[in-house]
Amino acid sequence: DIQMTQSPSTLSASVGDRVAITCRASQTLTNHLNWYQQRPGTAPKLLIYAASTLQSGVPARFSGSGSGAEYTLTISSLQPEDFATYYCQQSYSVPSSFGQGTKVEI
Amino acid sequence: EVQLVQSRAEVKKPGESLKIACEASGYNFLNFWILWVRQVPGQGLEWMGVISPRDSDTRYSPSFQGQVTISVDKSTNSAFLQWNSLNASHTAVYYCARQAIQYDLTAGFDPWGQGTLVTVSS
Repeated sequence: DIQMTQSPSTLSASVGDRVAITCRASQTLTNHLNWYQQRPGTAPKLLIYAASTLQSGVPARFSGSGSGAEYTLTISSLQPEDFATYYCQQSYSVPSSFGQGTKVEI
Repeated sequence: EVQLVQSRAEVKKPGESLKIACEASGYNFLNFWILWVRQVPGQGLEWMGVISPRDSDTRYSPSFQGQVTISVDKSTNSAFLQWNSLNASHTAVYYCARQAIQYDLTAGFDPWGQGTLVTVSS
């Protein structure tokens, strides 16, 4: 199975900051990498699929990049509603797997 | 509007069985795979398995194979997650989610149900 490792585990930032979260896989994913946001007490929400495609309705301050086994989620200007936990998910093979999560806190 | 509505929270005793539901609406249920995910309180997301409502083709994570059963009922547009014998380690929130793009399992899952909290305690 493919192992997914996110860094950092926790990120402290302020409103307006540019932040980046990295996801590394144990093998190449050929861009089959998705990002989710989970606010406390709510279900996850898909932000980006296929490494860099923004899901419909997601603000343009979110972007994804990367290739091979390393991918990055960037938030260009952090907003109050962005303080949440972010997960990457590989969809290269079944069973799929999630990273352990990155909590973005104030 | 595409919606997944999950069954209410459950409190069960060790050894009991349980089947929780995920009812879909607002789209053609047969054309999108359904995913089940476990989240232990305070921890991350775990991919359990997916099912195709069209033909019940099911893929499990090895971590959950044999521990749970995923199924669908096409007549009620519902997916199910079932345990035959619960124990305390099954205490978690369970989410269902729909394949985001028809015929493309690689493009993630969206939307998600609201989650069902399962508590197993003697």
